[in-house]
Amino acid sequence: GQNIDQPTEMTATEGAIVQINCTYQTSGFNGLFWYQQHAGEAPTFLSYNVLDGLEEKGRFSSFLSRSKGYSYLLLKELQMKDSASYLCAVILNTGFQKLVFGTGTRLLVSP
Amino acid sequence: NAGVMQNPRHLVRRRGQEARLRCSPMKGHSHVYWYRQLPEEGLKFMVYLQKENIIDESGMPKERFSAEFPKEGPSILRIQQVVRGDSAAYFCASSPGESGGVGTDTQYFGPGTRLTVL
Repeated sequence: GQNIDQPTEMTATEGAIVQINCTYQTSGFNGLFWYQQHAGEAPTFLSYNVLDGLEEKGRFSSFLSRSKGYSYLLLKELQMKDSASYLCAVILNTGFQKLVFGTGTRLLVSP
Repeated sequence: NAGVMQNPRHLVRRRGQEARLRCSPMKGHSHVYWYRQLPEEGLKFMVYLQKENIIDESGMPKERFSAEFPKEGPSILRIQQVVRGDSAAYFCASSPGESGGVGTDTQYFGPGTRLTVL
């Protein structure tokens, strides 16, 4: 089976930095996505990693280590609006584009 | 540029009725995906379609559920004879299909249809 693990909940303070980890054990790997989902809304695309290393995009960065089956999403200068669920998802195979999602990490940012 | 559109946003059905969920992909996108999200659970893949073709339906229950993406018009997810366990949020995503099946397209999600079965 496919296994994608994330912490269920995290809390952090406005202005701080938070790192959300994701580990995966899957039958194939063709890239890893991070999405943000506010309650009752659509998941919105944050980042995509297929090669090892860090991808930086403004306040958000995502890291991948394929040998370790590990990724993290780093959020800097946290704002209240960053309170949301963060979803880690893996594409298993080239050409078969279904995303396999973890259960998501609910982040609560407090003042 | 309009995003992925889904309607209705909320749907209430009684047990045994049919539910029909619609998804219009982003302009220029030819690939559509349906996912289901149960309360407190992650998104689960159901089906992946291209125009007039079902590519992968490995996540869709064999009975009562069907999906189509006709040449003209939106993609439809149909659930016949709904049961209480079908209550969930159903999300549609689309991608451009630029990779031609090789590599990976980014999927963009619609706002979802929240189905409640009484």
